[in-house]
Amino acid sequence: AQSVAQPEDQVNVAEGNPLTVKCTYSVSGNPYLFWYVQYPNRGLQFLLKYITGDNLVKGSYGFEAEFNKSQTSFHLKKPSALVSDSALYFCAVATDSWGKFQFGAGTQVVVTP
Amino acid sequence: EAGVAQSPRYKIIEKRQSVAFWCNPISGHATLYWYQQILGQGPKLLIQFQNNGVVDDSQLPKDRFSAERLKGVDSTLKIQPAKLEDSAVYLCASSLLTGNTGELFFGEGSRLTVL
Repeated sequence: AQSVAQPEDQVNVAEGNPLTVKCTYSVSGNPYLFWYVQYPNRGLQFLLKYITGDNLVKGSYGFEAEFNKSQTSFHLKKPSALVSDSALYFCAVATDSWGKFQFGAGTQVVVTP
Repeated sequence: EAGVAQSPRYKIIEKRQSVAFWCNPISGHATLYWYQQILGQGPKLLIQFQNNGVVDDSQLPKDRFSAERLKGVDSTLKIQPAKLEDSAVYLCASSLLTGNTGELFFGEGSRLTVL
């Protein structure tokens, strides 16, 4: 069965420090992996995706993520966090066969000045 | 380009009443999704359309929920009768690409409160 896990409910980081949001997945077949961000009372916004190719993917607002097949992970990273990065972050997984585009439970990121 | 449009943004009803949500995807997007997001949880897929055909509705509570996408463009999600546990934000999303390689573009959601 397909699943995606975000092990941390909340991540706290000081502005200027590196930010990491963790995601692990389980699929049969080739995974397609995505990160989305949600600000209060708004829909989800796409940040980046891994479909194939280079394991390091760069996306919007300075975020990047690394696909690690052996660890079945797709952690989101930003070298220097901003207060404006405070939001809810969702990892999502899909596959190359028809099936659910499935989201994790989300990780709340809090960046303090 | 215009984004995914949803209406209404907010709806309050009593249990056993009915409600309908409307979604107009981005022009040209073949795939349309309805998600239910309960407070504190990630979005849960209810139904996925490819043009006007259903690709996946395995998590749609079919005894009370129904959805249609006539002419492969806009879509309506209906709940009848509503239960307290249906209180959630209903998110519509669309994708240009078929399959699952394209990013989803989300509307701002319709927040349902069932009293």
